[in-house]
Amino acid sequence: GAVVSQHPSRVICKSGTSVKIECRSLDFQATTMFWYRQFPKQSLMLMATSNEGSKATYEQGVEKDKFLINHASLTLSTLTVTSAHPEDSSFYICSARIAGSSYEQYFGPGTRLTVT
Amino acid sequence: GQNIDQPTEMTATEGAIVQINCTYQTSGFNGLFWYQQHAGEAPTFLSYNVLDGLEEKGRFSSFLSRSKGYSYLLLKELQMKDSASYLCAVRGGYNTDKLIFGTGTRLQVFP
Repeated sequence: GAVVSQHPSRVICKSGTSVKIECRSLDFQATTMFWYRQFPKQSLMLMATSNEGSKATYEQGVEKDKFLINHASLTLSTLTVTSAHPEDSSFYICSARIAGSSYEQYFGPGTRLTVT
Repeated sequence: GQNIDQPTEMTATEGAIVQINCTYQTSGFNGLFWYQQHAGEAPTFLSYNVLDGLEEKGRFSSFLSRSKGYSYLLLKELQMKDSASYLCAVRGGYNTDKLIFGTGTRLQVFP
């Protein structure tokens, strides 16, 4: 149980275009999902916390108008990278916490974004 | 500020024991996690410590000392498949689920 999926697993897009990444909890409900970014050989950096039915909370330095997060249901959160630039190329990982659980986050398999 | 330190790289031999240390200075503390991450994949949960002491789970054990801001992950009977990055993460407080990750330790196991 506690499986989180992400789609797509890899995406290549041209500079200036927008890309949407989906994060789904397959067998549980997640009131809270998290979006992380990981650059090569670096650790995970939290971008934002996504709460179902409310606005996302962004970490300092993350542009909310560039990284649009929507958490429309208890099993789906989306991250849209708008007007992508090459410096946005990274590994984007989501995680989800089971509604009512105490602590554990379950991570998705990640999405490799390359902006050319 | 928030600071979590781990060694960048470690090497060990198959069958040996390795200890990966993590020190943290955070504004709040409500638990420490260890995750394993293979290259290009998402992290997988290894352990969670919220009280002082040692938690043992098979070949992996994790220790926490809250007064010292210190944890370690102990891997026994190393296997080649244990070559991965090991991430230490702190949950920052009672009213947050946010995890603050350390830089990660890349472990290479040699035959």
